[in-house]
Amino acid sequence: GAVVSQHPSWVICKSGTSVKIECRSLDFQATTMFWYRQFPKQSLMLMATSNEGSKATYEQGVEKDKFLINHASLTLSTLTVTSAHPEDSSFYICSASNAASGGLKNIQYFGAGTRLSVL
Amino acid sequence: QKEVEQDPGPLSVPEGAIVSLNCTYSNSAFQYFMWYRQYSRKGPELLMYTYSSGNKEDGRFTAQVDKSSKYISLFIRDSQPSDSATYLCAMSPPGGSYIPTFGRGTSLIVHP
Repeated sequence: GAVVSQHPSWVICKSGTSVKIECRSLDFQATTMFWYRQFPKQSLMLMATSNEGSKATYEQGVEKDKFLINHASLTLSTLTVTSAHPEDSSFYICSASNAASGGLKNIQYFGAGTRLSVL
Repeated sequence: QKEVEQDPGPLSVPEGAIVSLNCTYSNSAFQYFMWYRQYSRKGPELLMYTYSSGNKEDGRFTAQVDKSSKYISLFIRDSQPSDSATYLCAMSPPGGSYIPTFGRGTSLIVHP
């Protein structure tokens, strides 16, 4: 149980285009999903918390118009990197917690990550 | 001082060794403690979680929490080259509204 699927796993795009990354909880419902960014050999950097049916909460310094998050259902959240530029190239990872697991809501389950390369 | 401190390593050990990975923390409200394993260019995979103090064992892995010292450990017995990865600790207070605080991860290399 507690499987999170993320895709695509790798995307290459031209500068100025937009890229959408999907995150799905396959066997549980997730009222909250999280989006992280990770640079090589560095830890996870929380970008935003995605809440089903409401606006995402962005961390300080993360541009909400640049990184659009939609959490339209209890099993799907999407991150769209708009007008991507080479500096947006990074590893993006989503995670989800099981809304129905009581005290275990604090446990996050991660997707496999998406490597974005902007040319 | 960061809320969670974790030595980034790298920690290099021979195959078969017992590995000890550690994190210290400053927030006494933390009750949930998690260990994740992350292979290169993959998402973190949950290895174990514990609630409050004590030990928990799962195969070759043992998680230990010492709340009085604000110190948690992950032990790996009979380490294998396939254990080579980055290990992240994470912790949070109780209550579903808290986002776990992650350590920066320790890079482990197990050489044959």
